[in-house]
This record gives sequence, structure tokens and C-alpha cells, in this order.
Amino acid sequence: GENVEQHPSTLSVQEGDSAVIKCTYSDSASNYFPWYKQELGKRPQLIIDIRSNVGEKKDQRIAVTLNKTAKHFSLHITETQPEDSAVYFCAASRNYGGSQGNLIFGKGTKLSVKP
Amino acid sequence: GAGVSQSPRYKVAKRGQDVALRCDPISGHVSLFWYQQALGQGPEFLTYFQNEAQLDKSGLPSDRFFAERPEGSVSTLKIQRTQQEDSAVYLCASSYSRQGAGELFFGEGSRLTVL
Repeated sequence: GENVEQHPSTLSVQEGDSAVIKCTYSDSASNYFPWYKQELGKRPQLIIDIRSNVGEKKDQRIAVTLNKTAKHFSLHITETQPEDSAVYFCAASRNYGGSQGNLIFGKGTKLSVKP
Repeated sequence: GAGVSQSPRYKVAKRGQDVALRCDPISGHVSLFWYQQALGQGPEFLTYFQNEAQLDKSGLPSDRFFAERPEGSVSTLKIQRTQQEDSAVYLCASSYSRQGAGELFFGEGSRLTVL
């Protein structure tokens, strides 16, 4: 089955700097890669996702890149703000034909943005 | 409702007790997932429903865990003879996508503590 590795497990940056979180996956059939943000005691919420037919997607300060050959994808946050502090999870799933695709999550990255 | 609703939010059980956790997904969402999230870890897949059909229960850790969604809306996760290792947050998520690989909307979770 699918296995998702995520690193680093913790990341501390100064406000205004960029943050990069990287994930690798094992199942070459995976074709959907979302990123979720989870604040302390809150539910995970989708912040951006990418499908395997594109290599990059951007939404304001957040971008995700995908390298299908190397089976890795990354989250980039620019101009970080204190409210970006949270745990970020990458995930992967596959979806083909009539088969469902449950998300397999990485272990998370705790991002701290220092004012 | 506006979002995925889970109850109870907090449950303390004595070892050996049975517990039932309820999930009320977003109206019209076909897919429903249960995840287990241990402290400091990413969500781990438990089981998946498409309407009332349980299409994947490969993540259920033992036969003490049972889930149902009899009418294709509300779902219940039941844990029999709880053990300390069952202590975790149980997250329910729903998705409009029939294939299951669309955005997952998570509930706030049910935090189970087994003494």
C-alpha cells in the first residue's frame, strides 16, 4: 500500500521568511496530493491540492510542486506570518476507474513562525 | 448542517468498556471516512463508506472496531472492550466525491481517553 514520508517534523522560521515542507510517496499510481493545516485542537483543513497532471499550483502565498518521476511533492509558503503557525500534513491517494482513494497522510510538520 | 459534526467531543472510558462515536457528515456527501489520530501523529485511515456501503475497512486495527452507516448519512464507530492503546482522536471526514479523492471536510474529532 501507499506510504507517505514527510520532513522535517518541526520547522521554525522568522516572520517574512519562506518555509518548505517535503513529502515522498511510494505508490506510483497515486494521483492526488492535498495539504492540510491543523491548528492546535482544531480539525485539519485543506489549504491546497494538486493532481498528477500538473507540476505546480499556486494560491497567493502558498504553492505546491509535484515531481512524479521522483515521487515527491513539496509545500512552499512565502512571506510567512505568525498565523501560519500550525501542523501541516501532506497526503496522497489514487483514484482510477471505480476504485475509491482514501488519503494516506504523512506524520506532519509543526511550523512555528516567530514574530 | 454547515460542517461535519462529531459527538461526543470528549469521552473517557474505563478499560474494557464499549464506546460509540457518532459522525454527522455534510448533507449530500457520498463518501465518509474515519481516521484515528494519535498525539503528535498524522491521521491514520480506518475505514471508508460510499453511501451505506463500507468499501474499505482495511485500516481497522482489530475486530473490536466496527463502523456502520446504515442509511448512507450518519455513521457510528464502535469500539468494544476498549484498551489503553485505543486512546486517540477519532476524526470523521466526508467528501462529495463518489471516488473519494476530492477535498475531505473533517469534523472536530472525538477525543477518546481509555483509563
